Amino acid sequence: GAVVSQHPSRVICKSGTSVKIECRSLDFQATTMFWYRQFPKQSLMLMATSNEGSKATYEQGVEKDKFLINHASLTLSTLTVTSAHPEDSSFYICSARRGGAVNEQFFGPGTRLTVL
Amino acid sequence: AQKVTQAQTEISVVEKEDVTLDCVYETRDTTYYLFWYKQPPSGELVFLIRRNSFDEQNEISGRYSWNFQKSTSSFNFTITASQVVDSAVYFCALSEAFGNEKLTFGTGTRLTIIP
Repeated sequence: GAVVSQHPSRVICKSGTSVKIECRSLDFQATTMFWYRQFPKQSLMLMATSNEGSKATYEQGVEKDKFLINHASLTLSTLTVTSAHPEDSSFYICSARRGGAVNEQFFGPGTRLTVL
Repeated sequence: AQKVTQAQTEISVVEKEDVTLDCVYETRDTTYYLFWYKQPPSGELVFLIRRNSFDEQNEISGRYSWNFQKSTSSFNFTITASQVVDSAVYFCALSEAFGNEKLTFGTGTRLTIIP
């Protein structure tokens, strides 16, 4: 149990286009989902925290108008990179927190975005 | 503010050797969680362990063991009898116990096991 999927796993797009990444918790309801970005050979940096039905909370330095997060249901959160540029090329990873007293987060397999 | 430091950027050991990955953390919270994750070349994070700050007992799981020392704010990870499949990047992470519980990751240690 506790599987999180991400789609697509890999995307290549032209500069200026928008890209949507989906994160789904397949067998549990996620009270909170987190979006991370990882540049090559670097650590995971939290971009934003999203709770179902409310606006996402962005970390300092992350442009909310550029990285749109929608958490429409307890099993789905989407990250849209708007007007992508080469510097947005990165590995994007989501995690989903299962409800309960203990902080249990399950990570998706990641989405590798390449902007040409 | 929370901070996790993994001072070892890269480690290489010969297969079957033991290796310890260091993790030092900073937090003002009295209750928190510590984690270790493995990230193989595929990129997917593999959960290894979660430790509550109230539980200072060391833990062993097969070839893996963890040493939690609250007095030195460290949560070190040891792999005994290393194998080539252990080659990966290992991340230590810290989260609040309550509230939004976001994870703060260390910079990771790239472990290479030489056959």
